Amino acid sequence: RKEVEQDPGPFNVPEGATVAFNCTYSNSASQSFFWYRQDCRKEPKLLMSVYSSGNEDGRFTAQLNRASQYISLLIRDSKLSDSATYLCVVANDYKLSFGAGTTVTVRA
Amino acid sequence: GAGVSQSPSNKVTEKGKDVELRCDPISGHTALYWYRQSLGQGLEFLIYFQGNSAPDKSGLPSDRFSAERTGGSVSTLTIQRTQQEDSAVYLCASSTLPGWGYEQYFGPGTRLTVT
Repeated sequence: RKEVEQDPGPFNVPEGATVAFNCTYSNSASQSFFWYRQDCRKEPKLLMSVYSSGNEDGRFTAQLNRASQYISLLIRDSKLSDSATYLCVVANDYKLSFGAGTTVTVRA
Repeated sequence: GAGVSQSPSNKVTEKGKDVELRCDPISGHTALYWYRQSLGQGLEFLIYFQGNSAPDKSGLPSDRFSAERTGGSVSTLTIQRTQQEDSAVYLCASSTLPGWGYEQYFGPGTRLTVT
């Protein structure tokens, strides 16, 4: 079983829509959680950390459910520039485990 | 400031040849990581360096893979006797300190194609 599993999508949404997706992780001892964004043929970049109480960063909301071992990301009022692959990342000390990514395409 | 740089950006090599991939981390970053990203797959941890400590090589897929970090800065990942399954994007990342609390900054990667 993969350590981090994600729905690969793609999610095709119109501008202004809300899109949400999640991932699951297998290691219950995982310490920290993140969402990274990766544009086509580019390197991953940190989008946001995910905290137990849930957190927002502008139009992005992340949630963590430790009991069920899943993490979610919600994007409100989607912009064309949100089109990317979103990587779910789980950390144990210095080791990051990455999901294969969820592709989001926002259309005009 | 300058980010993580990697060279070459693309490398095409014949099966059986050796390749060397280079990573220049952000100045002052003590932790350096190598990952591999195959098509449609998540990033796969390969190796981790921290200061003068022994590297964590637990992610290296075979003994054909090795890496070193000289002077606590530049790192080289070497793949000997390349195989077609080694084709992937090899990404290097660095962070100020090790641990999940410190953001890892990624380089642009080296796209390796083994023919």
